[in-house]
Amino acid sequence: DAGVIQSPRHEVTEMGQEVTLRCKPISGHNSLFWYRQTMMRGLELLIYFNNNVPIDDSGMPEDRFSAKMPNASFSTLKIQPSEPRDSAVYFCASIPSVAGSTEAFFGQGTRLTVV
Amino acid sequence: GNSVTQMEGPVTLSEEAFLTINCTYTATGYPSLFWYVQYPGEGLQLLLKATKADDKGSNKGFEATYRKETTSFHLEKGSVQVSDSAVYFCALKLRGNNNDMRFGAGTRLTVKP
Repeated sequence: DAGVIQSPRHEVTEMGQEVTLRCKPISGHNSLFWYRQTMMRGLELLIYFNNNVPIDDSGMPEDRFSAKMPNASFSTLKIQPSEPRDSAVYFCASIPSVAGSTEAFFGQGTRLTVV
Repeated sequence: GNSVTQMEGPVTLSEEAFLTINCTYTATGYPSLFWYVQYPGEGLQLLLKATKADDKGSNKGFEATYRKETTSFHLEKGSVQVSDSAVYFCALKLRGNNNDMRFGAGTRLTVKP
């Protein structure tokens, strides 16, 4: 398996533009997480899905952020409109279907820069 | 709520020094505990884990023991190397089907030759 795949790896956009980050989880994993990493705040959980259903979105910073998981193999995180303070590395992770002590598998991340 | 608190960094050590990174947790249930490592420019990857009280996870010379009485999972290594320079994350995952997973803020370790 190729692992969790995120795209793009790098994104530079102007303030006010819409940004869409994409994630393909490992096949068969039923939980998907979106995290944001910055130097100031560390790793923050934004939202996670179980079986394509959002379970906890309390970490989504504001209404400008939205996430969808239309099927088991794809998720998007959208920021509209983007602001410079959204600049960060965004990670997607997935966990297998088996409950218990299984680990999370992370993608390589998308480095977002909003200028 | 469920959360993880870990030692703030950055931590700078000389090669062959002893490493401890503290981690404590708060959980409503009985979690599994993890340490993840992030090398520059990469995503997080599992370093070690423990699933029940008194379990010791170990990998690449790193160890951590699940201490239920102190709700802790401190990471240790007896002799660090320059190649251990990375960011280390403590994490917990609750049992059950909801796969709720929480991470600490991360601790940056720099090992100097």
